[in-house]
This record gives sequence, C-alpha cells and structure tokens, in this order.
Amino acid sequence: GAGVSQSPSNKVTEKGKDVELRCDPISGHTALYWYRQSLGQGLEFLIYFQGNSAPDKSGLPSDRFSAERTGGSVSTLTIQRTQQEDSAVYLCASSFPGSYNEQFFGPGTRLTVL
Amino acid sequence: AQKVTQAQTEISVVEKEDVTLDCVYETRDTTYYLFWYKQPPSGELVFLIRRNSFDEQNEISGRYSWNFQKSTSSFNFTITASQVVDSAVYFCALSDSKLDKVIFGPGTSLSVIP
Repeated sequence: GAGVSQSPSNKVTEKGKDVELRCDPISGHTALYWYRQSLGQGLEFLIYFQGNSAPDKSGLPSDRFSAERTGGSVSTLTIQRTQQEDSAVYLCASSFPGSYNEQFFGPGTRLTVL
Repeated sequence: AQKVTQAQTEISVVEKEDVTLDCVYETRDTTYYLFWYKQPPSGELVFLIRRNSFDEQNEISGRYSWNFQKSTSSFNFTITASQVVDSAVYFCALSDSKLDKVIFGPGTSLSVIP
C-alpha cells in the first residue's frame, strides 16, 4: 500500500497478557517512530528507529515495553504483562531520514486492557 | 530541553470566522524544524506544514497561514473563513537536527459550528 499500515486496528486484552503491535512503514522510509496517544491527550513519543537501530529509547514508559525492527522495514512494539494504564492508541509514523522530514502516520492500533 | 506549548486546549468558532491557534516552543538549538499536523475525527494525523529555523517568512496556503516569529519562539496557525471540515485537533511539533525526535504539543481541539 501507499501509506503506513498498522495491525491490528483494535486489540482488547486482559490485564497481564502480552501484546504485539505491528507497523509497516512506507517503502523507502528508513526512519520509524512509535507514539502513544491516551484518550484526549497529545502524542507521547516512545521510540525512534533509524534503519534497524533505535538510538533513542528514552520514551519507553517501562521495561515492559520493547520494540524491534528488522530488515529496515516492519517494526513490532511489544508490551508485556499489560496494565490498564497501557490502554491507548498506539501510532506509528515513518519518514525519510532527517528531522526536517515530515512524518506520515498510520491509522493507529487502539489497545484496551481490561 | 525541548518543549512545545499549545495553551488553547479547546476552541469553538462559528463557521466563516477566522481563528488562530497558538504554538510556543522552547529549544536550545539554532537549527530546528517546526511542524503543524491535523488530526480529524477519523484519527489519522495529517501533515500540514514544515518550517525551518532559518526561514521566518510567513506562509499562506489557501485559507491556512502560518506566522513564525523567532523573537517570541512562536509558530502560530491561522485559519481564515473557517469551515466545519476544519474541526479537528491540531498539533504543533518541534524537532532538532541532532535527535531526529519530534516533540509534539498537547494539541488544540478546534470545533467549527455551522
């Protein structure tokens, strides 16, 4: 597809379970970003990839959160032992390298932890 | 430290009125980039404009205009003759040349009433 895609679009899980969220960036975009948007809130930066490496992991809220990217393309964000406060929309964006480039956002994954 | 402030949480205007959304930023960098994104009710963020720190020219695109003033660290966004389709949350964002990380403001929710 032409845009950033994310799957699943919705995920409902029980507290304590692990979840995996997937992001497919736009082809050719080597930079990839994960954000979290809680209900009615702004965007909270989680992690940034340049290629397969993540030079800045400072935004991950806890050690239950991890992310990886392989082949410079698809990225997965994993949340272990989910908590209710993890409920949010998780947004992925991609761009060409360089902070001057605009980011293209996916539709997000709405995560609900019961 | 980098920071973006959007003091207006919510704004309501009547259709055809002009409206200005404020954005104030903080950064120690001399080279940085400012962005505006729109998040309509559908949820997907859409890029509107990018401005680099060396270009203080104001920009106009149709009914949209942006006023960048380094002296006051502001990058305000004006919608002229607002329309119902302009109803959305608008985010101002800042990135610098080092981190390739984009800091988003908390957003301003604009409602245009017919």
